[in-house]
Amino acid sequence: SAVISQKPSRDICQRGTSLTIQCQVDSQVTMMFWYRQQPGQSLTLIATANQGSEATYESGFVIDKFPISRPNLTFSTLTVSNMSPEDSSIYLCSAAAGELFFGEGSRLTVL
Amino acid sequence: QKEVEQNSGPLSVPEGAIASLNCTYSDRVSQSFFWYRQYSGKSPELIMSIYSNGDKEDGRFTAQLNKASQYVSLLIRDSQPSDSATYLCAFSGGADGLTFGKGTHLIIQP
Repeated sequence: SAVISQKPSRDICQRGTSLTIQCQVDSQVTMMFWYRQQPGQSLTLIATANQGSEATYESGFVIDKFPISRPNLTFSTLTVSNMSPEDSSIYLCSAAAGELFFGEGSRLTVL
Repeated sequence: QKEVEQNSGPLSVPEGAIASLNCTYSDRVSQSFFWYRQYSGKSPELIMSIYSNGDKEDGRFTAQLNKASQYVSLLIRDSQPSDSATYLCAFSGGADGLTFGKGTHLIIQP
């Protein structure tokens, strides 16, 4: 298993600003993923964070809006850029350590 | 496009009874299947994984997989009020992230 720490756990942001979410895993993992969970909905994969290369984005998500860094095998960041109220959601970091484990999530509210 | 279908519920089950949660998936090459439990306001917690046809038991939980029918289920025996949560079915076909269903909201009635 893996223990995943995410911060911030929640934040209230102003429209047009950007926020970076950090994700730290307690062990080295090859695969890290970022998901979004909108209110009352299931999880939607945003991108796969690849160590040493650009992230791989799912349909509907672009690098300019959700830039991702993966500087090493235990850490990743997701930035939500130029936020609008539609970006209000829970953002979840996950890591594949045998199976897929999740951080506690970052609940963003955009006013 | 990969899809996972689940009945959103709510599914209401008396305490002590068996709760049966079902899931169908669209991708025939899927190899790995998972059940996650999510309490309100919390992140998903892995409770079962299953990779081959048949049943897999872990305590009060039994996962059942039928790849020919593209169907996976989760049985919870002796249901407890603490089992009340949303149960997410997910599958993986390879190195990409999991595809999740919308989840079934389970309510265990005392």
